[in-house]
Formats: sequence, C-alpha cells, structure tokens
Amino acid sequence: GQQVMQIPQYQHVQEGEDFTTYCNSSTTLSNIQWYKQRPGGHPVFLIQLVKSGEVKKQKRLTFQFGEAKKNSSLHITATQTTDVGTYFCAGPTSGTYKYIFGTGTRLKVLA
Amino acid sequence: NAGVTQTPKFQVLKTGQSMTLQCAQDMNHEYMSWYRQDPGMGLRLIHYSVGAGITDQGEVPNGYNVSRSTTEDFPLRLLSAAPSQTSVYFCASSRNGDEKLFFGSGTQLSVL
Repeated sequence: GQQVMQIPQYQHVQEGEDFTTYCNSSTTLSNIQWYKQRPGGHPVFLIQLVKSGEVKKQKRLTFQFGEAKKNSSLHITATQTTDVGTYFCAGPTSGTYKYIFGTGTRLKVLA
Repeated sequence: NAGVTQTPKFQVLKTGQSMTLQCAQDMNHEYMSWYRQDPGMGLRLIHYSVGAGITDQGEVPNGYNVSRSTTEDFPLRLLSAAPSQTSVYFCASSRNGDEKLFFGSGTQLSVL
C-alpha cells in the first residue's frame, strides 16, 4: 500500500544544535503539510507546500518540497526546548482527498 | 469558535460492544476525516467526507462506519469492538480536501 516513511524515527539533540527530518512518499502528493504533535496532544498544522521544489521558511524552520512531489524535509536551526515533539509530514495523494501521514520523527531537546 | 470538538476523551469497551465517537466542527468546513494513531505508525485514515451526504473509505475502514447528515457533524461508529481497535482516534476538518487540517483533541479508546 501507499506509505510515507520519515527518518530518523527518533532524534535527541542538545539545545542549540540543528535538526532535520526527511519524509519520503511512495506516491505523488498533491501538496505536503507538516504537523507538530506534543506528547499527549493533537497534531497542529505548521505549514503547507504546494509547488514542486518549493522552499518556505518560518523563523528557525525551513521546509522543502521535492521536485517529484514525493519527498520533503524540515530543518530546524538552533533547536530550543520548545521544539520538543513529534513532527509529521502528510498530504493528500495526487488526485484524491485521501491523506497519508508519515511515520513521524520524535525530537527531544536536552537543555 | 470551538474548532473541532471530539467526545468522549476516554472510553473503555468490552469486546463486541458498539459505540459512537462524536466529532463536530463550527468552522463550516466541507472536509472531515477520522484517523487512528498507533505507536510508531503515524496516523492512518479511516473514513473521510467531502461534504454532507458524501463519505468514502480511507486506508483502514474495516470495523468502522460513518455518516455525514450535516456539515457540522461526522460521527464514527464502532460496530462490534475488537481489541485491535484499541488506539487513539482523531477527527480532523479542513475547508476543502486540499488545505490544512484542524484536529480535535482525540479519544483514547481501550477495548478489553
């Protein structure tokens, strides 16, 4: 079946270090969205990228959407303790309204 | 605006029991969807709806039923609960099927 893999599954960083998570889909996505879920909470929308090759920045966060619209990345510069949580990529498969979610990357930041 | 409201927050069922998870949104969103979240597997789509009277199956629909009689409500029914349905369930909505999803706070379901 269609799936979206994210690597790494877990990442522990010292506060101030950079962090990157990669998202790879087995199928083309109409757009890619990123969500953050704090422990015990629900996913919260961060950003959406629509065009192939698109890059967006949001303060310390940089998001990329691959040329084939199958992969994406999220980079956080100088992590802070408030960045702790699980980051998911997601998107509707091309031509449908069926969302598939990545497996998630759990980030821990050590002060 | 309350956003997306899910009830109950916690539920324990015995195998074979049925129940309905409620989801309501007050943002006039056309698109609504249900997901289950299991450890290490991300969120998986159960059912979704692109408008009142229209529903469709997601990745893991077996054992679940939905209906969409109004724009606001999208209940999820477990017909005969099984231990494999122990999970955290999230409802989400968006203005249409292409835009950001707003999630409810989730329902933690245990089936014994």
